[in-house]
Amino acid sequence: NAGVIQTPRHKVTGKGQEATLWCEPISGHSAVFWYRQTIVQGLEFLTYFRNQAPIDDSGMPKERFSAQMPNQSHSTLKIQSTQPQDSAVYLCASSLDGLGGQYFGPGTRLTVL
Amino acid sequence: QQKVQQSPESLTVSEGAMASLNCTFSDGTSNNFRWYRQHSAKGLEVLVSIFSDGEKEEGRFTAHLNRANLHVSLHIREPQPSDSAVYLCAVSMTGNYKYVFGAGTRLKVIA
Repeated sequence: NAGVIQTPRHKVTGKGQEATLWCEPISGHSAVFWYRQTIVQGLEFLTYFRNQAPIDDSGMPKERFSAQMPNQSHSTLKIQSTQPQDSAVYLCASSLDGLGGQYFGPGTRLTVL
Repeated sequence: QQKVQQSPESLTVSEGAMASLNCTFSDGTSNNFRWYRQHSAKGLEVLVSIFSDGEKEEGRFTAHLNRANLHVSLHIREPQPSDSAVYLCAVSMTGNYKYVFGAGTRLKVIA
């Protein structure tokens, strides 16, 4: 069991560029979560998929952020026109059914210059 | 809206001494609590989950829950330098997938 895989581990973008972050959940897990972690705000929920369907995106900034889960083996978080305030560690987690323990990936550290 | 606060912000203990971390929450209907550990530049590792008042032990890690006092704690027995990390408390309700996390306690264990 390789655990949750996130790529890339580090990404540096210039202001205004697009960033796409990838997550591969644990095989057999039907739920995928995205979180953002900063020193100021801590760990914040962004969005949740269950069986590839978007269930809750209440934590997603309304502009520039989007997430998809095209198949059961990966999810993407896309940030358009990145801004310095988007700099954070983006964590992906998966769980068996959405209600049990969440298993986290190592995160992607996004730095927007 | 659920508020989760952790104390202390940072803690230094000597190797082998007990380390105690605290977490308070605001929603008394919460009944799903997890402690995670996060080593630098790594993901979160679940240490112990607790769902009812009392204590739950997982190896050297013991969680104590007192829902009447809106308090859950983590005790680390015989901490090692490799336990140096940030410890996060996460609170939710059974049947609710959304956890609210505390800001964390940074633990340093010195040899």
